[in-house]
Amino acid sequence: DTAVSQTPKYLVTQMGNDKSIKCEQNLGHDTMYWYKQDSKKFLKIMFSYNNKELIINETVPNRFSPKSPDKAHLNLHINSLELGDSAVYFCASSLFQDGEKLFFGSGTQLSVL
Amino acid sequence: EDQVTQSPEALRLQEGESSSLNCSYTVSGLRGLFWYRQDPGKGPEFLFTLYSAGEEKEKERLKATLTKKESFLHITAPKPEDSATYLCAVRRTGTYKYIFGTGTRLKVLA
Repeated sequence: DTAVSQTPKYLVTQMGNDKSIKCEQNLGHDTMYWYKQDSKKFLKIMFSYNNKELIINETVPNRFSPKSPDKAHLNLHINSLELGDSAVYFCASSLFQDGEKLFFGSGTQLSVL
Repeated sequence: EDQVTQSPEALRLQEGESSSLNCSYTVSGLRGLFWYRQDPGKGPEFLFTLYSAGEEKEKERLKATLTKKESFLHITAPKPEDSATYLCAVRRTGTYKYIFGTGTRLKVLA
């Protein structure tokens, strides 16, 4: 049983396309995150939701739109993809009050051609 | 501005050769400092949380320590399976944001 699962694992697409990444966690956590990891392994927070409410919204182009239909799911939709969007995107979850451990998914490697 | 710097960027060790990884941080009010391990093609995996200066945590061949400005991850008698990227992160009091460093890529040779 995968605790935090992301789909797809790999995503190859053309510039200008719109794509979505899905994330689901079965840990009973109430807080979920999207992180972007660049080629230098730098992990940067993009968004966070607690109980479906947006609590972190970093300086991210508005082409990126997260959606949390319930506590266990957090999706990321990206419009008009650009070359610079190529990276690995990680979903993570934690307990809001605990918040000490982030549990990460295995990542989605996005390549924009 | 909160900042995390890790050194060295990369480290090659012979099996059994102990060493330490460094994580220097600047944060106004530390809620916690975290160590993660990341294997290629996988997400980071939680190792330790440290909350206050002087605290130490151990797990198998790994030991994490914390001062007011930095943390060390000591690796004693490493094995090839310890090869991975080790990430350090801090969380400021009153926020839910984790600031990560760029990691140390560790390679342990048999």
